[in-house]
Order: sequence, then C-alpha cells, then structure tokens
Amino acid sequence: GNSVTQMEGPVTLSEEAFLTINCTYTATGYPSLFWYVQYPGEGLQLLLKATKADDKGSNKGFEATYRKETTSFHLEKGSVQVSDSAVYFCAQVANDYKLSFGAGTTVTVRA
Amino acid sequence: DVKVTQSSRYLVKRTGEKVFLECVQDMDHENMFWYRQDPGLGLRLIYFSYDVKMKEKGDIPEGYSVSREKKERFSLILESASTNQTSMYLCASSYQTSGRGNTDTQYFGPGTRLTVL
Repeated sequence: GNSVTQMEGPVTLSEEAFLTINCTYTATGYPSLFWYVQYPGEGLQLLLKATKADDKGSNKGFEATYRKETTSFHLEKGSVQVSDSAVYFCAQVANDYKLSFGAGTTVTVRA
Repeated sequence: DVKVTQSSRYLVKRTGEKVFLECVQDMDHENMFWYRQDPGLGLRLIYFSYDVKMKEKGDIPEGYSVSREKKERFSLILESASTNQTSMYLCASSYQTSGRGNTDTQYFGPGTRLTVL
C-alpha cells in the first residue's frame, strides 16, 4: 500500500545549524506531498507542499523539492532557531482521499 | 483563517464508558477526518466523511464510530472505551477538489488527549 518513510528522531541541533529530515514515499503516479509541523501542545499545521515533480515547496525558511526519480521529499532549513523545535511529519495524498503520514521526527533546537 | 475546534483538550474516562469527541469547522469544508496519533506511528486515519451523513472507514476503525449530522460537525464515538484507546485524537477538514477526490490541504484542530483508565 501507499506509505511514507521519514528519518527517525529525535534530532537535536544547536541554533543556526543546518537541518535535513529525509522523507521517501511509495505512492505510484504523482501524489501531492506535504510537510506538516506540530509545535508543542498544538495540532498539526501545514508547513509546505508540492503537487508535481520538481516543484519546490517553501515556507518559514524551510524547503523541500519533489524528486520523482528518487521518490523523495526531503525537508531542509539552512539555519534553525529554537522556535523550530517541533515534530515534523511528511505526508502524501495519492489517487484516493487518504493522507498517509510518516511516523514523525522530533526536532529540538538548543540555544 | 480556517478554524477547526475540538470539544476538549484533555479527557479522562473509565474503561467501558461511552465517549464522544466533537469537532467543528467553520470553513464549509466537505471533508472531515478523525485520526489518532501515537508515538512512533504517526497519524492513522480512523474515519473519513465526505458529506453529511456519509462516512468511510479509514485504516483503524475498529472500536470507533462516527456521526455527521451537519456539515460543520463531525463526532467520533467510542462505544465502550478501552485502555488501548488512550491516545491523542486529531480532527481535520478540507475542501474537495473534484468529486470525492481530496488532494487539498487538511486543516487540523488542536487535538484531544484521551486517557482511558
């Protein structure tokens, strides 16, 4: 079935460090791809999305590029802040209505 | 802004009790969803509704039912709560892009952390 695999955490970084969270998907065709973020004590918020191959989603300094050839949608940020501490979820929507989530990656940024 | 609200942030119930979790959205979305979130498992879809009185099972519907009597409200029901239903429950909603297809963004509520003793 369709599934999403993302890098296991937890990830601990210092401020201004570079962050990468790997994500690969299995849906065939051209699924829409998403990164959601969950800040402590809150629900999920959409961080960015891409709907076709080679699209780059970006928001709040985060970027992810839809790579059809490697079925990947890795999340990157060049210089993280303490406020980026959260759980990050990669997700895909394929041909049906279902949104499939990865297991989530907990990121902690230390000052 | 889209707003999805859930009736409780924290809930403690006893085994065997009937539990109602309520979700309301104010954006006239056709689709509404109930997920549970557990550490290491991400979010798993329990039930989905694409219209009033319409519902479909998700990946883990056992032990749950749902009700959608009005477009803006989607309720999750635990008929007889069990300890393995202790979890974070998240409601979401979205527009439909075409027919019953959903490739659009889902908007989430803040979640209800349910503990079953």
